[in-house]
Amino acid sequence: AQTVTQSQPEMSVQEAETVTLSCTYDTSESDYYLFWYKQPPSRQMILVIRQEAYKQQNATENRFSVNFQKAAKSFSLKISDSQLGDAAMYFCAYTGGGADGLTFGKGTHLIIQP
Amino acid sequence: DTGVSQNPRHKITKRGQNVTFRCDPISEHNRLYWYRQTLGQGPEFLTYFQNEAQLEKSRLLSDRFSAERPKGSFSTLEIQRTEQGDSAMYLCASSSQLAGGREQFFGPGTRLTVL
Repeated sequence: AQTVTQSQPEMSVQEAETVTLSCTYDTSESDYYLFWYKQPPSRQMILVIRQEAYKQQNATENRFSVNFQKAAKSFSLKISDSQLGDAAMYFCAYTGGGADGLTFGKGTHLIIQP
Repeated sequence: DTGVSQNPRHKITKRGQNVTFRCDPISEHNRLYWYRQTLGQGPEFLTYFQNEAQLEKSRLLSDRFSAERPKGSFSTLEIQRTEQGDSAMYLCASSSQLAGGREQFFGPGTRLTVL
């Protein structure tokens, strides 16, 4: 079974600084997708960024980028120029090559210090 | 608003009662997923539909849980004889097979409290 591990229950960063959230996963599949989702307090889950396993290039979406290390099964999220609106729970998620449900990590609570 | 919608947003019930939740996916999405999220945890997959067919069920989906998606549009999740351990946020998500990207778009959730 696939597992997703987020080892940082909480992270804190100063506004305008850069922060990296860690995620590791375990799978025996070769075709899969990885995602970072953001869940603000009492609000719905929002997709931040996605990465296809077959792509070697790391995904980037504006201030958000990933460091995808396939051999190490690592998928970290870097947030540059942190803003107060980035404060939320961040979940790393995995799905296989089929139309499977997502497997989520336990999440990292990101605090932005003004 | 063309996102995923869920109703009701909150449900308080007494132990032993039945409850039903509804999810309306993004209109062009043919895949629909149900998840359960307890406090301080990530969502856990419950079940998945492609069009009207229920293709996968998690072992978390006990016999008291049933989901339907008639005509491949909206879906309902029913919990019979609720227990206090069923208290959680129930999330619905949808995706498009044609898009091929596997990303799922989530609704706001239904928060269930079983007294």
